[in-house]
Amino acid sequence: DADVTQTPRNRITKTGKRIMLECSQTKGHDRMYWYRQDPGLGLRLIYYSFDVKDINKGEISDGYSVSRQAQAKFSLSLESAIPNQTALYFCATSDVPGQGNTDTQYFGPGTRLTVL
Amino acid sequence: GQSLEQPSEVTAVEGAIVQINCTYQTSGFYGLSWYQQHDGGAPTFLSYNGLDGLEETGRFSSFLSRSDSYGYLLLQELQMKDSASYFCAVRDDYGQNFVFGPGTRLSVLP
Repeated sequence: DADVTQTPRNRITKTGKRIMLECSQTKGHDRMYWYRQDPGLGLRLIYYSFDVKDINKGEISDGYSVSRQAQAKFSLSLESAIPNQTALYFCATSDVPGQGNTDTQYFGPGTRLTVL
Repeated sequence: GQSLEQPSEVTAVEGAIVQINCTYQTSGFYGLSWYQQHDGGAPTFLSYNGLDGLEETGRFSSFLSRSDSYGYLLLQELQMKDSASYFCAVRDDYGQNFVFGPGTRLSVLP
């Protein structure tokens, strides 16, 4: 089974609809992230959470909100979707840096969201 | 803030060697990572350099020069399956989150 899973994998919705993307992980990591990727561009950070009670805005948080329901679950919501939120969304996890790890992020398979 | 620069595209033939460069600007440096992403897939970790020098993992090697704010990913004995996008990444100024470069699309030709 995959360590980081995302649902749904694909979603088409209309402008103004509320959308929730879900992420679950079995790696036991405290740190979780939501990224957005647009064609030809790198990954941009939307929100991140370093534990259940710690949630922070990333580079492009406007129009998004998140919920950390448990250590293993981190969901991303678009309260009122707009067409320029059409993108590929990735959830990721990581260990705490500097604890003998290789500073790796583990990504989910992605959710392709289209807003019409 | 941080910024990273990579070439947008690189093309090479099967069996060849290719080098993908990355230059970065960050006030606090915690190491340089490389990720591979195939079309439609998720980024996967390739390598990490915390100190200057070369790290080798099979056909892939990664190099870092902190004094030059520069690193590269070296892919040897290229295979068709290496066709993908490659991203370099650093941690932000506070050493917490990752900042990714724009990515280099590698095309391996037969």
